[in-house]
Amino acid sequence: ILNVEQSPQSLHVQEGDSTNFTCSFPSSNFYALHWYRWETAKSPEALFVMTLNGDEKKKGRISATLNTKEGYSYLYIKGSQPEDSATYLCAFGGSNYQLIWGAGTKLIIKP
Amino acid sequence: DVKVTQSSRYLVKRTGEKVFLECVQDMDHENMFWYRQDPGLGLRLIYFSYDVKMKEKGDIPEGYSVSREKKERFSLILESASTNQTSMYLCASILESGGWTEAFFGQGTRLTVV
Repeated sequence: ILNVEQSPQSLHVQEGDSTNFTCSFPSSNFYALHWYRWETAKSPEALFVMTLNGDEKKKGRISATLNTKEGYSYLYIKGSQPEDSATYLCAFGGSNYQLIWGAGTKLIIKP
Repeated sequence: DVKVTQSSRYLVKRTGEKVFLECVQDMDHENMFWYRQDPGLGLRLIYFSYDVKMKEKGDIPEGYSVSREKKERFSLILESASTNQTSMYLCASILESGGWTEAFFGQGTRLTVV
């Protein structure tokens, strides 16, 4: 059974601080690793998709890294802002079309 | 802009009722999925569809059925709602490209069965 683990489950961060969290996934049959942001009352939205070991992606203050050999990805947020409050989901895309989802990390930014 | 629309944002239904959750996408995608999301768990796949009139069971199909009569519409049906089906339901339309997939989600339906 393929398993995707995200940690921590929830995180409180002071506005202005930087933070990061982890997604662990199977290291075999890897095709892609996805990060999504799910804000309250909105649809989950794609942040990044990474396919190659060592990939790094960046969008504004948010960046992500990928290690397919050891099966983990980090998501970093620099200088957290209230609008960063959301649940961050990662999903493992294997050798079929399906995505295996983690339970998410709920990020709360304290003003 | 890609759009996936779910018919209701919040629903409250009684135990034993038949419940229909509707999802419509405007991207002409062939693949559509229904997930449920519960606290502490990842998105769990209920059913998915590759094409019109095609359906496949996901990881937790018990108590659910689906209908795909038109490409743009994928309906999730709770034949006889039970309290353990209280959950957030997410519909996704899936784009496959170069061996990987990207999911486009609806806004979710929070269903409460009382």
